[in-house]
Amino acid sequence: EPEVTQTPSHQVTQMGQEVILRCVPISNHLYFYWYRQILGQKVEFLVSFYNNEISEKSEIFDDQFSVERPDGSNFTLKIRSTKLEDSAMYFCASIWASGGSTQYFGPGTRLTVL
Amino acid sequence: GESVGLHLPTLSVQEGDNSIINCAYSNSASDYFIWYKQESGKGPQFIIDIRSNMDKRQGQRVTVLLNKTVKHLSLQIAATQPGDSAVYFCAEKRGGGADGLTFGKGTHLIIQP
Repeated sequence: EPEVTQTPSHQVTQMGQEVILRCVPISNHLYFYWYRQILGQKVEFLVSFYNNEISEKSEIFDDQFSVERPDGSNFTLKIRSTKLEDSAMYFCASIWASGGSTQYFGPGTRLTVL
Repeated sequence: GESVGLHLPTLSVQEGDNSIINCAYSNSASDYFIWYKQESGKGPQFIIDIRSNMDKRQGQRVTVLLNKTVKHLSLQIAATQPGDSAVYFCAEKRGGGADGLTFGKGTHLIIQP
């Protein structure tokens, strides 16, 4: 069964450093998402992406965040200057169509900012 | 404002019993709801979904009930098994198109042997 994959599984970085989290969505999917989950809290929407542009973003997704689909398979989340409060699990998700299609999640990347 | 919340943070049931996990939502305009299961260290795993034009939907051992009058969603798991132990989240579709999901806080389901 196709699945969303993410790398790395765990990323440790120093405050102020840039990080890039990588995702490979399911191959025939067209809509891509990033979510984050701070330890012990609920999953929070960050951004949705379709047709090579951002469709929607939450208030969390400020100027330090950016997303990119650099090729036909990868979908990346860049955090330009990490802060301690960026420490969280980051999940990528994808769907093949809009509306009520199920969002399939990847296993997540645990980001630890020291 | 939009919010999706869960009534109980932890639910403990005996193996083989049925369990019911509840969720309240506040956005009457939401038209799509999903239950996800999250095991420790893993991403949310789709369980079952329901659209707002339905009030019940059944899957394998799971049933989702939607009561739009009181904005309440529930997940029933029949004959619980040890592998059902996880955190369960309800999520709501924030709007049309490819919008992101709004998740509740989660209920930790513990299956007692």
